[in-house]
Formats: sequence, C-alpha cells, structure tokens
Amino acid sequence: NAGVTQTPKFQVLKTGQSMTLQCAQDMNHNSMYWYRQDPGMGLRLIYYSASEGTTDKGEVPNGYNVSRLNKREFSLRLESAAPSQTSVYFCASSATGTGEKLFFGSGTQLSVL
Amino acid sequence: GQQLNQSPQSMFIQEGEDVSMNCTSSSIFNTWLWYKQDPGEGPVLLIALYKAGELTSNGRLTAQFGITRKDSFLNISASIPSDVGIYFCAGQLQGSNYQLIWGAGTKLIIKP
Repeated sequence: NAGVTQTPKFQVLKTGQSMTLQCAQDMNHNSMYWYRQDPGMGLRLIYYSASEGTTDKGEVPNGYNVSRLNKREFSLRLESAAPSQTSVYFCASSATGTGEKLFFGSGTQLSVL
Repeated sequence: GQQLNQSPQSMFIQEGEDVSMNCTSSSIFNTWLWYKQDPGEGPVLLIALYKAGELTSNGRLTAQFGITRKDSFLNISASIPSDVGIYFCAGQLQGSNYQLIWGAGTKLIIKP
C-alpha cells in the first residue's frame, strides 16, 4: 500500500519563485494536512482540509495556499518563495474524524536561496 | 500559541536500558499522542491516549495520560538499536478537532 505520497522529495528554489507540492493518499481518508518541520521544533500546521471541498488555516498559513483537488489529493502552493520557507514539508491524512491519528508522507525538503 | 514542553531534548543510552520521556503543558488536553520519526521519513503514530490516567502499551512502549490532563509520559523498556529516532508528543485541546500541538521532540541515540 502506498499510503500518503508526496512529490517532489527535494526542491531548491530561488527567492520569488513559485512551486506546488503535491500530495495524494489512497486510504480513503476524509481529512488531509500540510505541516512544516524546522530543526529543533515540533511540527507546525500550515493548512488542513477536514473534508473534500473545505480548507482551513492552521498555525502558520502566511505565504501558502492550498487546494483540495478531490478526496485523494491536497496540494500546497508557494506563490513567491522566501528563505524563511526553507523547511521540510509533510503531508498527512487522518483516519479519524477528529484528526488525531495521522498518517504522514515521507516529506519534501525545500530550500529557498 | 500553545506549546508543549518535551524533555529531554536528547538521550544517549546503552542498548538494553529503559528510557523515559515526558511532555508537559499549562493547558488541559483531551488527547495525547506519541509519534516516532525515523531519518528521512514522516512521523508514525505509536500510541494514542484519550482518558486521564489511561495507561496504554504497544510492545515495549508504554504511555500514560497524566491525571491532571496537562502531561503525558512515554517509557521504552529494554531499548534496541531500532528504537533510535526522534519521539514526538502531540496533544489535542478540547474543541480543537483537526489541530494538534506538537512537542519539539526527544532524540534517542544508542551508544555503540
């Protein structure tokens, strides 16, 4: 089983460039999430989608946009990348209606120069 | 925002030793979770706790939901090399569906 698949695995951008991180899950989960992980810190929620057709801001949404394309796919877009967005990005989906049991992808390491 | 204080930040242990780590907060949580992250991978759920005082095991791992609902503990007995990684606690506040608050992690390193 693939679980949660993220692409790309690595990406280097120049300041001001845009890109979209892709995420797909094959577990028929309703909820999907985007987190960022910085050294020495816990994960921080960027955006989440409780169900198909809805999206909501998390703790650190500034500089990001998301699209819940269908039940399987949830993308994260950086419109104008900044060095502060250098991080590891994780997509996750939830097996429960309250969003605590998360299944994570293997992450995208993004560097913005 | 809300924060979880997770300690220790890192642990160097001998294979076979028992390990203890904890998370504390000034807020009351409805749910406590423990995840493990291996290098280059996303976190994987180890244990979920839903009631104050609850004690739950998963193999050699045992976690407890603190009586005050402001803390949680994770113990690993008889550590083995594959226990190496970063352990994260996460909590869910009442009424905060879909949003978890995460600790900064405890990095477990086994001395050769």
